[in-house]
Amino acid sequence: DAKTTQPTSMDCAEGRAANLPCNHSTISGNEYVYWYRQIHSQGPQYIIHGLKNNETNEMASLIITEDRKSSTLILPHATLRDTAVYYCIVRVYNQGGKLIFGQGTELSVKP
Amino acid sequence: GAVVSQHPSRVICKSGTSVKIECRSLDFQATTMFWYRQFPKQSLMLMATSNEGSKATYEQGVEKDKFLINHASLTLSTLTVTSAHPEDSSFYICSARDRRNTEAFFGQGTRLTVV
Repeated sequence: DAKTTQPTSMDCAEGRAANLPCNHSTISGNEYVYWYRQIHSQGPQYIIHGLKNNETNEMASLIITEDRKSSTLILPHATLRDTAVYYCIVRVYNQGGKLIFGQGTELSVKP
Repeated sequence: GAVVSQHPSRVICKSGTSVKIECRSLDFQATTMFWYRQFPKQSLMLMATSNEGSKATYEQGVEKDKFLINHASLTLSTLTVTSAHPEDSSFYICSARDRRNTEAFFGQGTRLTVV
């Protein structure tokens, strides 16, 4: 599976949009981009995933560049409860595909 | 989303003893389960992958005789840490995926402390 690169940490003001970037320049054509987050001392929580089209759900939006070499997770109105480590992962959509976690981005939402 | 439950959430055991951690998928059939370990201020490290009814596949460097994984049913996988030592103290997390092979869902984790 392709490797991802994320900033180590980011700050965001409460109520503002949080934009978390991820580089995956070696992504293959059959690899999806997944985003998870982990709040302190809990298991990771699924947020969103996509292949090449932009995706939106009740939690966030995922913007994938046309060349698929990078993506951005957008939390439209960040709250204090969104403070967590956010992981961008790419994996092949096949039977038994495992999720390999990088270091992620530690997002701090501040009042 | 689907629910994955881990038990216990926290356990303390004596050095040399074994401890079993359970991972259950509550509302779906988990054909594949994953076990991770996480040390403080580090990312999740995949330990092994198990498919229902098959032997687990361990990642490089993970001792299969020390970390016994059983995935006997479509809703239950167990991880047994045998002859635990203080360096095995960690946060253990399971994950489950169903037949549709879409997103994986994670348990809440088990904090193991070996004294």
